Amino acid sequence: GAVVSQHPSRVICKSGTSVKIECRSLDFQATTMFWYRQFPKQSLMLMATSNEGSKATYEQGVEKDKFLINHASLTLSTLTVTSAHPEDSSFYICSARDVVSGYNSPLHFGNGTRLTVT
Amino acid sequence: DQQVKQNSPSLSVQEGRISILNCDYTNSMFDYFLWYKKYPAEGPTFLISISSIKDKNEDGRFTVFLNKSAKHLSLHIVPSQPGDSAVYFCAARHYGGSQGNLIFGKGTKLSVKP
Repeated sequence: GAVVSQHPSRVICKSGTSVKIECRSLDFQATTMFWYRQFPKQSLMLMATSNEGSKATYEQGVEKDKFLINHASLTLSTLTVTSAHPEDSSFYICSARDVVSGYNSPLHFGNGTRLTVT
Repeated sequence: DQQVKQNSPSLSVQEGRISILNCDYTNSMFDYFLWYKKYPAEGPTFLISISSIKDKNEDGRFTVFLNKSAKHLSLHIVPSQPGDSAVYFCAARHYGGSQGNLIFGKGTKLSVKP
Protein backbone atom coordinates (compact mmCIF):
# COMPACT_ATOMS: atom_id res chain seq x y z
CA GLY A 1 0.00 0.00 0.00
CA ALA A 2 0.90 3.65 -0.28
CA VAL A 3 3.44 4.78 2.31
CA VAL A 4 4.10 8.25 3.61
CA SER A 5 7.29 8.72 5.59
CA GLN A 6 7.63 11.59 8.02
CA HIS A 7 10.85 12.61 9.74
CA PRO A 8 11.75 13.21 12.50
CA SER A 9 9.23 11.41 14.66
CA ARG A 10 10.15 13.45 17.70
CA VAL A 11 12.08 16.66 18.19
CA ILE A 12 12.86 18.84 21.16
CA CYS A 13 14.17 22.30 20.48
CA LYS A 14 14.82 25.52 22.32
CA SER A 15 12.60 28.52 22.00
CA GLY A 16 13.63 30.74 19.10
CA THR A 17 15.12 28.01 16.96
CA SER A 18 13.67 26.63 13.74
CA VAL A 19 12.67 23.04 13.08
CA LYS A 20 12.21 21.33 9.73
CA ILE A 21 9.89 18.37 9.27
CA GLU A 22 10.02 16.25 6.12
CA CYS A 23 7.19 14.35 4.50
CA ARG A 24 7.89 11.90 1.71
CA SER A 25 5.64 9.72 -0.38
CA LEU A 26 7.70 6.56 -0.81
CA ASP A 27 5.93 4.63 -3.51
CA PHE A 28 3.69 7.12 -5.22
CA GLN A 29 3.71 10.68 -6.48
CA ALA A 30 1.74 13.40 -4.78
CA THR A 31 1.17 16.79 -6.37
CA THR A 32 -0.52 17.81 -3.18
CA MET A 33 0.34 17.10 0.41
CA PHE A 34 -1.44 18.27 3.51
CA TRP A 35 -0.15 19.34 6.89
CA TYR A 36 -2.22 18.83 10.02
CA ARG A 37 -1.69 19.68 13.65
CA GLN A 38 -3.18 18.00 16.67
CA PHE A 39 -3.22 19.41 20.17
CA PRO A 40 -3.81 17.06 23.11
CA LYS A 41 -7.33 15.69 23.23
CA GLN A 42 -8.26 17.65 20.14
CA SER A 43 -8.96 16.61 16.59
CA LEU A 44 -6.58 16.85 13.67
CA MET A 45 -6.75 20.32 12.16
CA LEU A 46 -5.66 21.11 8.62
CA MET A 47 -2.96 23.77 8.64
CA ALA A 48 -2.05 24.06 5.00
CA THR A 49 -2.12 22.43 1.60
CA SER A 50 1.25 21.97 -0.01
CA ASN A 51 1.30 22.17 -3.80
CA GLU A 52 4.23 20.88 -5.83
CA GLY A 53 5.93 23.70 -7.64
CA SER A 54 3.76 26.46 -6.26
CA LYS A 55 2.90 28.27 -3.06
CA ALA A 56 1.15 26.51 -0.24
CA THR A 57 -2.40 27.36 0.70
CA TYR A 58 -2.85 28.13 4.37
CA GLU A 59 -5.96 27.72 6.45
CA GLN A 60 -7.40 30.70 8.24
CA GLY A 61 -5.49 31.55 11.36
CA VAL A 62 -2.28 29.77 10.34
CA GLU A 63 0.67 32.11 9.95
CA LYS A 64 2.44 31.48 6.66
CA ASP A 65 5.61 33.19 7.84
CA LYS A 66 5.67 31.02 10.92
CA PHE A 67 5.06 27.72 9.16
CA LEU A 68 7.07 27.66 5.96
CA ILE A 69 6.11 24.98 3.49
CA ASN A 70 8.15 23.86 0.52
CA HIS A 71 7.04 21.21 -1.95
CA ALA A 72 9.93 20.97 -4.36
CA SER A 73 9.20 17.57 -5.87
CA LEU A 74 6.36 15.13 -6.36
CA THR A 75 7.51 13.09 -3.39
CA LEU A 76 8.71 15.60 -0.82
CA SER A 77 7.15 18.38 1.18
CA THR A 78 8.78 20.13 4.14
CA LEU A 79 7.30 22.13 6.97
CA THR A 80 9.61 24.50 8.82
CA VAL A 81 8.46 25.92 12.12
CA THR A 82 10.40 29.16 12.37
CA SER A 83 11.36 30.82 15.63
CA ALA A 84 9.53 28.15 17.56
CA HIS A 85 7.87 28.98 20.85
CA PRO A 86 6.43 26.69 23.53
CA GLU A 87 2.91 27.26 22.21
CA ASP A 88 4.02 25.64 18.94
CA SER A 89 4.54 22.37 20.80
CA SER A 90 2.17 19.95 19.16
CA PHE A 91 1.82 16.86 17.02
CA TYR A 92 2.34 17.64 13.34
CA ILE A 93 1.28 15.14 10.72
CA CYS A 94 1.37 15.15 6.96
CA SER A 95 -0.72 13.29 4.44
CA ALA A 96 -0.85 12.78 0.71
CA ARG A 97 -2.94 11.26 -2.02
CA ASP A 98 -1.62 9.38 -5.02
CA VAL A 99 -1.96 11.60 -8.12
CA VAL A 100 -3.40 8.74 -10.15
CA SER A 101 -6.10 8.00 -7.61
CA GLY A 102 -9.51 9.59 -7.77
CA TYR A 103 -10.93 12.41 -5.72
CA ASN A 104 -12.51 9.95 -3.33
CA SER A 105 -9.38 7.99 -2.69
CA PRO A 106 -8.30 8.20 0.94
CA LEU A 107 -5.39 10.18 2.23
CA HIS A 108 -2.30 8.36 3.42
CA PHE A 109 -0.78 9.74 6.58
CA GLY A 110 2.73 9.87 7.89
CA ASN A 111 3.45 8.81 11.46
CA GLY A 112 3.61 12.36 12.70
CA THR A 113 6.19 14.48 14.47
CA ARG A 114 5.96 15.32 18.14
CA LEU A 115 7.46 18.80 18.56
CA THR A 116 8.35 20.03 22.02
CA VAL A 117 9.67 23.56 22.38
CA THR A 118 11.37 24.32 25.67
CA ASP B 1 -17.97 25.00 16.75
CA GLN B 2 -17.16 21.40 16.07
CA GLN B 3 -18.72 20.10 12.87
CA VAL B 4 -17.80 16.46 13.47
CA LYS B 5 -18.41 15.11 16.93
CA GLN B 6 -17.42 11.87 18.52
CA ASN B 7 -19.06 12.16 21.88
CA SER B 8 -17.58 9.03 23.41
CA PRO B 9 -13.90 9.50 24.14
CA SER B 10 -13.52 5.82 24.97
CA LEU B 11 -15.23 2.48 24.54
CA SER B 12 -14.45 -0.90 26.05
CA VAL B 13 -15.70 -4.11 24.47
CA GLN B 14 -15.16 -7.80 25.07
CA GLU B 15 -13.41 -9.79 22.38
CA GLY B 16 -15.87 -11.38 19.99
CA ARG B 17 -18.61 -8.86 20.67
CA ILE B 18 -19.68 -5.97 18.50
CA SER B 19 -18.03 -2.55 18.76
CA ILE B 20 -20.15 0.41 17.74
CA LEU B 21 -18.45 3.77 17.34
CA ASN B 22 -20.63 6.78 16.76
CA CYS B 23 -20.13 10.06 14.98
CA ASP B 24 -22.44 13.05 14.55
CA TYR B 25 -22.03 15.94 12.18
CA THR B 26 -23.69 19.28 11.75
CA ASN B 27 -22.92 20.33 8.17
CA SER B 28 -25.35 19.05 5.56
CA MET B 29 -22.81 19.91 2.84
CA PHE B 30 -20.58 17.00 3.78
CA ASP B 31 -20.62 14.49 0.93
CA TYR B 32 -18.09 11.91 1.98
CA PHE B 33 -17.26 10.30 5.29
CA LEU B 34 -14.28 8.25 6.36
CA TRP B 35 -13.09 6.33 9.36
CA TYR B 36 -9.43 6.23 10.26
CA LYS B 37 -7.73 4.07 12.84
CA LYS B 38 -4.70 5.23 14.76
CA TYR B 39 -2.24 3.30 16.87
CA PRO B 40 0.05 5.13 19.32
CA ALA B 41 3.07 6.76 17.67
CA GLU B 42 1.68 6.06 14.20
CA GLY B 43 -0.29 8.10 11.71
CA PRO B 44 -3.95 7.40 11.03
CA THR B 45 -4.66 4.63 8.56
CA PHE B 46 -7.72 4.55 6.38
CA LEU B 47 -10.31 2.01 7.39
CA ILE B 48 -13.54 2.50 5.49
CA SER B 49 -15.53 5.24 3.82
CA ILE B 50 -19.04 6.01 2.65
CA SER B 51 -20.48 8.42 0.16
CA SER B 52 -23.47 10.52 1.16
CA ILE B 53 -25.54 8.80 -1.52
CA LYS B 54 -25.30 5.52 0.33
CA ASP B 55 -26.48 4.41 3.73
CA LYS B 56 -24.25 1.42 4.27
CA ASN B 57 -20.84 0.20 3.26
CA GLU B 58 -19.34 -3.07 4.37
CA ASP B 59 -15.78 -4.37 4.26
CA GLY B 60 -15.13 -7.60 6.09
CA ARG B 61 -15.67 -7.10 9.80
CA PHE B 62 -16.22 -3.37 9.35
CA THR B 63 -19.51 -1.76 8.38
CA VAL B 64 -20.28 1.93 8.27
CA PHE B 65 -23.86 3.14 8.44
CA LEU B 66 -24.96 6.62 7.46
CA ASN B 67 -28.20 8.23 8.54
CA LYS B 68 -28.34 11.53 6.69
CA SER B 69 -31.58 12.72 8.22
CA ALA B 70 -30.08 12.34 11.67
CA LYS B 71 -26.63 13.49 10.51
CA HIS B 72 -25.21 10.45 12.17
CA LEU B 73 -22.84 7.71 11.17
CA SER B 74 -21.56 4.70 12.96
CA LEU B 75 -18.83 2.15 12.55
CA HIS B 76 -19.59 -1.43 13.50
CA ILE B 77 -16.83 -3.91 14.11
CA VAL B 78 -17.90 -7.50 14.48
CA PRO B 79 -16.47 -9.62 15.86
CA SER B 80 -14.13 -7.31 17.76
CA GLN B 81 -10.55 -8.45 18.20
CA PRO B 82 -7.83 -7.27 20.61
CA GLY B 83 -5.87 -5.95 17.63
CA ASP B 84 -8.71 -3.53 16.94
CA SER B 85 -7.74 -1.60 20.07
CA ALA B 86 -6.84 1.86 18.78
CA VAL B 87 -8.19 5.37 18.45
CA TYR B 88 -10.82 5.70 15.75
CA PHE B 89 -11.36 9.02 13.99
CA CYS B 90 -14.43 9.93 12.05
CA ALA B 91 -13.80 12.43 9.24
CA ALA B 92 -15.98 14.27 6.77
CA ARG B 93 -15.41 16.21 3.58
CA HIS B 94 -17.29 19.19 2.20
CA TYR B 95 -18.90 18.78 -1.20
CA GLY B 96 -16.49 20.47 -3.57
CA GLY B 97 -14.02 20.98 -0.77
CA SER B 98 -10.28 20.77 -1.17
CA GLN B 99 -8.92 17.29 -1.31
CA GLY B 100 -7.26 17.35 2.05
CA ASN B 101 -9.72 19.40 3.98
CA LEU B 102 -11.14 16.63 6.03
CA ILE B 103 -12.90 17.66 9.20
CA PHE B 104 -11.98 15.23 11.94
CA GLY B 105 -13.70 14.32 15.15
CA LYS B 106 -11.68 14.08 18.36
CA GLY B 107 -11.54 10.32 18.21
CA THR B 108 -12.79 7.42 20.27
CA LYS B 109 -10.35 5.11 21.98
CA LEU B 110 -11.50 1.53 21.59
CA SER B 111 -10.22 -1.14 23.95
CA VAL B 112 -11.03 -4.74 23.10
CA LYS B 113 -10.44 -7.02 26.05
CA PRO B 114 -9.52 -10.68 25.57
